Amino acid sequence: AQKVTQAQTEISVVEKEDVTLDCVYETRDTTYYLFWYKQPPSGELVFLIRRNSFDEQNEISGRYSWNFQKSTSSFNFTITASQVVDSAVYFCALRGDSGYALNFGKGTSLLVTP
Amino acid sequence: NAGVTQTPKFQVLKTGQSMTLQCAQDMNHNSMYWYRQDPGMGLRLIYYSASEGTTDKGEVPNGYNVSRLNKREFSLRLESAAPSQTSVYFCASSDLDTLVQPQHFGDGTRLSIL
Repeated sequence: AQKVTQAQTEISVVEKEDVTLDCVYETRDTTYYLFWYKQPPSGELVFLIRRNSFDEQNEISGRYSWNFQKSTSSFNFTITASQVVDSAVYFCALRGDSGYALNFGKGTSLLVTP
Repeated sequence: NAGVTQTPKFQVLKTGQSMTLQCAQDMNHNSMYWYRQDPGMGLRLIYYSASEGTTDKGEVPNGYNVSRLNKREFSLRLESAAPSQTSVYFCASSDLDTLVQPQHFGDGTRLSIL
């Protein structure tokens, strides 16, 4: 069985603060992929990043960074110097080599206020 | 620039009515998926089609049927709609190597059943 837990239901920060969104996963698969998606208020799902189980290198893309740690089964997402446009629901998802579909966490709703 | 196109975008049904949600992708992807999104539940897989001519049940298939009409199109049918099927429905597609590729999502269909 595969499971993704996003313990933070809602987070509220003031613009320019840094914020970290937590993601913990469970899988028995040796090979698996982790994803983050953003769902802005308009409702579409926007792909942000994919990380495979063999690559624990952290990644930075502009104000976004991701910290993948197999030892703690976590794939956390940090937004540096948050902006109002970052307000959205963020989903962490997992796909293992035993199935086709993505297993989503319940999402973290991030509100960035001016 | 179309990607994954879902129709309709909004629909209101009465209990017991039937309806088909349409999905088409223009990325020549082999795999297609239907998810539903409910408040606080994240996205859950209803059905998927790994390749043209095949369909399989996901996590929550009861009350739904699907048809993979051709490589481009994957429809979801509610034969007798129930209020519990009020949700936002997302169609997605991915390339043959489904472990590597991110899933590309449509903009969603917001379905209300009265």
